[in-house]
Amino acid sequence: AQSVTQLDSHVSVSEGTPVLLRCNYSSSYSPSLFWYVQHPNKGLQLLLKYTSAATLVKGINGFEAEFKKSETSFHLTKPSAHMSDAAEYFCVVSEHNFNKFYFGSGTKLNVKP
Amino acid sequence: GAGVSQTPSNKVTEKGKYVELRCDPISGHTALYWYRQSLGQGPEFLIYFQGTGAADDSGLPNDRFFAVRPEGSVSTLKIQRTERGDSAMYLCASSSKPGNTIYFGEGSWLTVV
Repeated sequence: AQSVTQLDSHVSVSEGTPVLLRCNYSSSYSPSLFWYVQHPNKGLQLLLKYTSAATLVKGINGFEAEFKKSETSFHLTKPSAHMSDAAEYFCVVSEHNFNKFYFGSGTKLNVKP
Repeated sequence: GAGVSQTPSNKVTEKGKYVELRCDPISGHTALYWYRQSLGQGPEFLIYFQGTGAADDSGLPNDRFFAVRPEGSVSTLKIQRTERGDSAMYLCASSSKPGNTIYFGEGSWLTVV
């Protein structure tokens, strides 16, 4: 069975400071993992994905995530937060055949000036 | 079109009524997904189409929910005898083939009063 746990429902950082959004997964197979961002009243946008290539994945807008199999984690990071990063972020795991995507419950990122 | 288009963007209906939600995927995308997102939660899988056929409908909550994709492009999610618990954001997504990046529409907000 596949599932995703996002450990923090809300994260607040100051502009210019690092961002860490945590995600742990469980999967019966070698997983594919994704991070999506959802701005208010907007659709979900793909930030980055891991599909068994390099364990450190770079995405858009300066975000990156590292796949750690031993820790079953796929945490999202960014060195320096920008006001425009304020949004909700979802960690997603997919089955090996990509027919289903399992979303975490989301982490709302607040960026303070 | 340029992206996944969903209509209506907002729908308010009375309990017991019938509702249709439409999804127009990215041109040429053969895989199409429907998800439901309730307030404060991550999206949950409903159904997946590969071409015209529903390859996996295991996420449909009950037989009041049905989806079609008769020509392998536009899809319609149909909800009969709506209940207040059906109130949610219904998201559609498409990809060029399973395993490729999925692109989400901006969703249809359904409110059942």
